[in-house]
Amino acid sequence: QQQVKQSPQSLIVQKGGISIINCAYENTAFDYFPWYQQFPGKGPALLIAIRPDVSEKKEGRFTISFNKSAKQFSLHIMDSQPGDSATYFCAASMDDYKLSFGAGTTVTVRA
Amino acid sequence: ETGVTQTPRHLVMGMTNKKSLKCEQHLGHNAMYWYKQSAKKPLELMFVYNFKEQTENNSVPSRFSPECPNSSHLFLHLHTLQPEDSALYLCASSLNVQEQFFGPGTRLTVL
Repeated sequence: QQQVKQSPQSLIVQKGGISIINCAYENTAFDYFPWYQQFPGKGPALLIAIRPDVSEKKEGRFTISFNKSAKQFSLHIMDSQPGDSATYFCAASMDDYKLSFGAGTTVTVRA
Repeated sequence: ETGVTQTPRHLVMGMTNKKSLKCEQHLGHNAMYWYKQSAKKPLELMFVYNFKEQTENNSVPSRFSPECPNSSHLFLHLHTLQPEDSALYLCASSLNVQEQFFGPGTRLTVL
């Protein structure tokens, strides 16, 4: 049973555009929502994370928006650059050792 | 480098072989994890070790056998695998329930 559903599976954006990735969850006990970035041949690396007590968190060009009532959260990549081309995974946990991951979104930024 | 190393990076084995994957972390973390990553699917948590004690086993077939001799090393022993076990196997570590740091993975192909 997939606890976190992620969409789209892939997206293409022009350089300078905005990339938006959406995730939805069912378990209301989740209280930690990280996003991971993975480049080919590398393991995932933490990009940004949010907890349900805030609705938005921004780090540089990356922003997480969180909607607790809708049980949804999203990643926005502003001013997308070719170096942002990677696979992005959302995840959720109850602040324990078990992260439930989405299936991933492959982002391609065209120059 | 993330401070989590995995060897070998690539492994091809027959269904009757026995092999082991190795993971080492140099970050002073106390928890270590094995994940399976298959194309277009969420990362699947296989095992969690906290202070060398296994705290999670997500219904993983017995042909996968983990070993954690100390908090810096983690092994995954493989025997009589099936072709559907072909995947990228990722090791991660964390300090308690904080950010998980991933290694680059071992690409396993079972013939």
